[in-house]
Amino acid sequence: GAGVSQTPSNKVTEKGKYVELRCDPISGHTALYWYRQSLGQGPEFLIYFQGTGAADDSGLPNDRFFAVRPEGSVSTLKIQRTERGDSAVYLCASSSGSSGTSGNIQYFGAGTRLSVL
Amino acid sequence: AQSVAQPEDQVNVAEGNPLTVKCTYSVSGNPYLFWYVQYPNRGLQFLLKYITGDNLVKGSYGFEAEFNKSQTSFHLKKPSALVSDSALYFCAVRDPWNAGNMLTFGGGTRLMVKP
Repeated sequence: GAGVSQTPSNKVTEKGKYVELRCDPISGHTALYWYRQSLGQGPEFLIYFQGTGAADDSGLPNDRFFAVRPEGSVSTLKIQRTERGDSAVYLCASSSGSSGTSGNIQYFGAGTRLSVL
Repeated sequence: AQSVAQPEDQVNVAEGNPLTVKCTYSVSGNPYLFWYVQYPNRGLQFLLKYITGDNLVKGSYGFEAEFNKSQTSFHLKKPSALVSDSALYFCAVRDPWNAGNMLTFGGGTRLMVKP
């Protein structure tokens, strides 16, 4: 079956521009996560959706970052006034369950490599 | 707060030899622990997880990991390495009582298996 799909795979933009990154989770997965992976580091949590609502956005670095999931499936990560420090690989993951003790596996997409010039 | 440490940036092993990739964690309560592998230009691929029960868990591609509560470790192991195992490996922890459900990752360990 289809896995987590992220588009575009690469995005090059100029400092100050607005970008949108898209994530299509595995069909039927209610939980969706965004992570950011900087060069040479492990992924860092940004935001978690359960259904349509953001259950935890504590990882968003500042108010330039925003994410939506209006119909509980596809999610878009939006970055305003991009800065060079935003350059990273943005990873999306989905899982089948809600939070709690279920230990559900998070399945990751290939990521979007964002380069801010 | 939860954290993960992978003390080795790189592990080198000869093909056919056993391999170990180290991971230690810090979390309040009992942790959920995961190993993921990342190949170039690919997303993270799940290998195995520990939730509860037997301390030795087996996963994909012949990998296994041993949960050691007293040492707060979850080292990844494989009895006989393959050149195709060369990749970046990430250990991750989740606090099951954290409603955020987030994974906290270590910095990764690059495994190089030489023929």
